[in-house]
Amino acid sequence: DGGITQSPKYLFRKEGQNVTLSCEQNLNHDAMYWYRQDPGQGLRLIYYSQIVNDFQKGDIAEGYSVSREKKESFPLTVTSAQKNPTAFYLCASSMVAGNYEQYFGPGTRLTVT
Amino acid sequence: GENVEQHPSTLSVQEGDSAVIKCTYSDSASNYFPWYKQELGKGPQLIIDIRSNVGEKKDQRIAVTLNKTAKHFSLHITETQPEDSAVYFCAASGSGEKYGNKLVFGAGTILRVKS
Repeated sequence: DGGITQSPKYLFRKEGQNVTLSCEQNLNHDAMYWYRQDPGQGLRLIYYSQIVNDFQKGDIAEGYSVSREKKESFPLTVTSAQKNPTAFYLCASSMVAGNYEQYFGPGTRLTVT
Repeated sequence: GENVEQHPSTLSVQEGDSAVIKCTYSDSASNYFPWYKQELGKGPQLIIDIRSNVGEKKDQRIAVTLNKTAKHFSLHITETQPEDSAVYFCAASGSGEKYGNKLVFGAGTILRVKS
């Protein structure tokens, strides 16, 4: 899983609560990403950030929020507005400027009941 | 935007046989095509990638081919082993300012290698 850590590995929350997933990297990468993975589906992009203090919505940003205050950190908040939050969440990072390889963390499995 | 289709969704092979997974993409400007392997409960790991300026790349038992005209690329695994069993994802890079450094992923292929 390279130099990307996600914590915790398993997370349980009650419906209606916001929850923040942690992602930290020590690869000195400029770009960071959050993906959602559901059973039998590919990875869908939630948010991405190409530089500190800047981020863009991905394909399924509704009900999620992010911040990028430090280069090494890109936390994801799953808000109560997300209709179906139970999923496996993956964080990734890559260098920018022509280098597209993305390195993934081990993931966080979020269960909301 | 970019769309990536991956086939087959599941693939069972006998140990020692070859496995081939195919992907097609829609954006002719895409220029980077990685393949990832994901084991159960873990994050995907890059196993091989290819850029649009080459047609084929090999790394031991793994190879990837790219046909830019037809907009498809394939993963070839030879002499399969039980430890090759996993989910494999293809992806294609978007292009232009809108997509920046984004990857669009296929839906994945579950590969089972029977011993």
